Amino acid sequence: QVQLIQSTTEVKKPGASVKVSCTASGYSFTNYAITWVRQARGQGLERMGWISGHNGNTKYAEEVQGRLSLTIDTSTNTAYMEMRSLRSDDTAVYYCVRDNDYIWGRGYFDYWGQGTLVIVSS
Amino acid sequence: EIVLTQSPGTLSLSPGERATLSCRASQSVSRNYLAWYQQQPGQAPRLLLYDTFVRATGIPDRFSGGGSGTDFTLTINRLEPEDFAVYYCQQYAVSPTFGQGTKVEIK
Repeated sequence: QVQLIQSTTEVKKPGASVKVSCTASGYSFTNYAITWVRQARGQGLERMGWISGHNGNTKYAEEVQGRLSLTIDTSTNTAYMEMRSLRSDDTAVYYCVRDNDYIWGRGYFDYWGQGTLVIVSS
Repeated sequence: EIVLTQSPGTLSLSPGERATLSCRASQSVSRNYLAWYQQQPGQAPRLLLYDTFVRATGIPDRFSGGGSGTDFTLTINRLEPEDFAVYYCQQYAVSPTFGQGTKVEIK
């Protein structure tokens, strides 16, 4: 069965960086993409970025452009999200999701990781 | 960017009733590339429908979707206790965006 397993809770200070992993199994990693979605406590869903499992192409939301880096390791079927210059308003649960569009980044999200809580606090 | 506006913000209903949720887009969603998700408290969202009306794997047929262009609906017939949750719409015709959510709560 399809699974996306994410790394555990991170606590960081403002200005620091965080790197979250997402290991996929149960499907052909290179035939899909991974999108990263975050959700602040009590808030809605925000798409942050997309990376193709096919060729590593990326797209980033304007709000995090320049601070977010998405990468993949196809030898381990793992996607990584690194965010730099963290601020308190980056505190949220971060989800990796399987995206059915590995070409254009215009897909729906059929499987979700369990979420990784990132807390940014001094 | 396509902005999605969901209404109502909260829907108070009893088990067994029908829920009708609305998702309105700021511009036409081409090819009806619209999905719906359900999120239970403390859990990740779950895909319910894609391409406006196609049910995802394992989703019961009391969930149905409709609409086109800028107006879309999610209908839940005969609400079950596990259906009380928050629902989000998402368009993927262009760079994907989500609606702000509708909470279906027990009356």
